[in-house]
Order: sequence, then C-alpha cells, then structure tokens
Amino acid sequence: ELKVEQNPLFLSMQEGKNYTIYCNYSTTSDRLYWYRQDPGKSLESLFVLLSNGAVKQEGRLMASLDTKARLSTLHITAAVHDLSATYFCAAMEYGNKLVFGAGTILRVKS
Amino acid sequence: DTAVSQTPKYLVTQMGNDKSIKCEQNLGHDTMYWYKQDSKKFLKIMFSYNNKELIINETVPNRFSPKSPDKAHLNLHINSLELGDSAVYFCASSQQGWETQYFGPGTRLLVL
Repeated sequence: ELKVEQNPLFLSMQEGKNYTIYCNYSTTSDRLYWYRQDPGKSLESLFVLLSNGAVKQEGRLMASLDTKARLSTLHITAAVHDLSATYFCAAMEYGNKLVFGAGTILRVKS
Repeated sequence: DTAVSQTPKYLVTQMGNDKSIKCEQNLGHDTMYWYKQDSKKFLKIMFSYNNKELIINETVPNRFSPKSPDKAHLNLHINSLELGDSAVYFCASSQQGWETQYFGPGTRLLVL
C-alpha cells in the first residue's frame, strides 16, 4: 500500500526567505501531484510530475521529482504573504488511486 | 462557468438522518471521484466512477452509496448519519483516471 509523507507539517516563514517542502512516497508511483488549498476552499492543482528528474516552475514555486529516491520537493523562493496556504502532495497508486500526504501548512509572515 | 460544482455547500443535520450530496462537472471528463477530508485536513478517496462504472470503492461504511446517472454527474447518498461522518466531502473529476483531478468547492457536513 502506498504511503505518502510530507514534512514539515507546519512551516512559518518570513517574507523573502526560501524554503523547501519534502514529499516522500513508499512504493513506485508514476505520477506525483502538488495541490494548494486555501482555508475553507477547494484544492487547486499546481503541478504534475511524470518522470524522474522532472522539474516544473510557476512563479515562486518550483517542484521536482526523483523517482529513484521516491522524493518530490516543492521549493518556495522569496516567499510572499499570498503563498500562505496548505500544500498537499499526492502520488498515484496502482489502479489510478491518488494517495495524499497530510499537507503542509505554510504561513508567510511579513 | 464553474467546472466542478457541488450542492449543497453546507449541510447540518441530526444523527440518523439520510442525506445526499450532488456533484456535476462541465469539463467533459470521463472520471469522477468522491473524497472525504477530515478535521485534520487529511484527504482520502472514497469512490471513483469512469463513464458511470464504479472503478474505486474504498473501505467505507455501506451507509455511503454513490450513484452516477451519467458521466457528468456523481451523487453521494449517506444513510443513518453518524457523528463521525462530519467532514468536508469533495467531488473531483479528471479526463482519465491517471490525469490531473479538478476538485469541486466541497460540501461541509456537520452531524449533530
């Protein structure tokens, strides 16, 4: 059974700083997804990573995938307050079942 | 136009009642899902349908019954509601089962 672990679970950052969220998964997975959830809102798709070494960037967020290490990272560059949200990674299990990590609550302080 | 919509957005009800949540997507996707997000924000898949056929049926109480009248709609009926059913229920859809899933706004269910 696929398990997905994120760390840290809570991250408080100063504006302008850089940080990385880590997502480990326990068994082989073809696809890794990152989602953002604002309080009381739905989940918004950020990235889908399909192969080893894949890197995607959107604004101040960059996601990467290392399938050999079963690790994905979400790097935040020069954080701004608007990035405050909960970030989820999710890996695709056999049978096209998406398994989510517990989420990382990000708070960016000015 | 809302891509994935759910009704109602909020549902407050008494233990033992039966309730339904409706979901519709206008993205032309073939696959739809129901997820439960608990009070700790943990998300877990409950069911998925592909073109009206049940594909994923996780270990959930049989008080939960999904129904897909057509590939644009997936409803969730819950019988004999219990306190532990209180959660946010999200509907999602994707073109195929392995593609990016798009989530609805969620239905916040509170069982008293």
